Amino acid sequence: GENVEQHPSTLSVQEGDSAVIKCTYSDSASNYFPWYKQELGKGPQLIIDIRSNVGEKKDQRIAVTLNKTAKHFSLHITETQPEDSAVYFCAARARGTSYGKLTFGQGTILTVHP
Amino acid sequence: DTGVSQDPRHKITKRGQNVTFRCDPISEHNRLYWYRQTLGQGPEFLTYFQNEAQLEKSRLLSNRFSAERPKGSFSTLEIQRTEQGDSAMYLCASSLVPNTEAFFGQGTRLTVV
Repeated sequence: GENVEQHPSTLSVQEGDSAVIKCTYSDSASNYFPWYKQELGKGPQLIIDIRSNVGEKKDQRIAVTLNKTAKHFSLHITETQPEDSAVYFCAARARGTSYGKLTFGQGTILTVHP
Repeated sequence: DTGVSQDPRHKITKRGQNVTFRCDPISEHNRLYWYRQTLGQGPEFLTYFQNEAQLEKSRLLSNRFSAERPKGSFSTLEIQRTEQGDSAMYLCASSLVPNTEAFFGQGTRLTVV
């Protein structure tokens, strides 16, 4: 089955800096890659996603890049703010399975210091 | 549309007891998913429904676990003879085919003592 590895496990940045979180996946048939943000005591919230036919997608301060050859994808947050502090999860969905059946990475605890 | 709703938010139970959780998906969403999340880990897929049909179950879902979605709306997840290893956050998500996004609820945190 699919395996998703996520790094780093913790990331600490100063407000205004950029943050980058990287994930690798094992199943070359995977074709959908969402990123979720989870705040304490809450469920994961989708922040951005990308499909395998696209190399990059951007939404305001958040961008995701995908390298299918290397089987890795990354989340980039620019101009970080304290409210960006949370746990971020990458995920992958294998082609042919339901879009909601996801394999998640282990998570990255992002702390943005004011 | 108030999002995915889960009840209860927290549950403490003694080992060996049965527990049942409820999930109300976003109105008209035809797919409903259950995930389990242990501390410091990402969510792990357990099972999903399309309408009332349970289409897939993970090997994580032992025979002590059962999920239902009798009328294709809300769903229940029951754990029989709970064990300490069942302590986790149980998350529910829903989506509308053919759209891609899966929206998660707040989860039910289970503690088995």
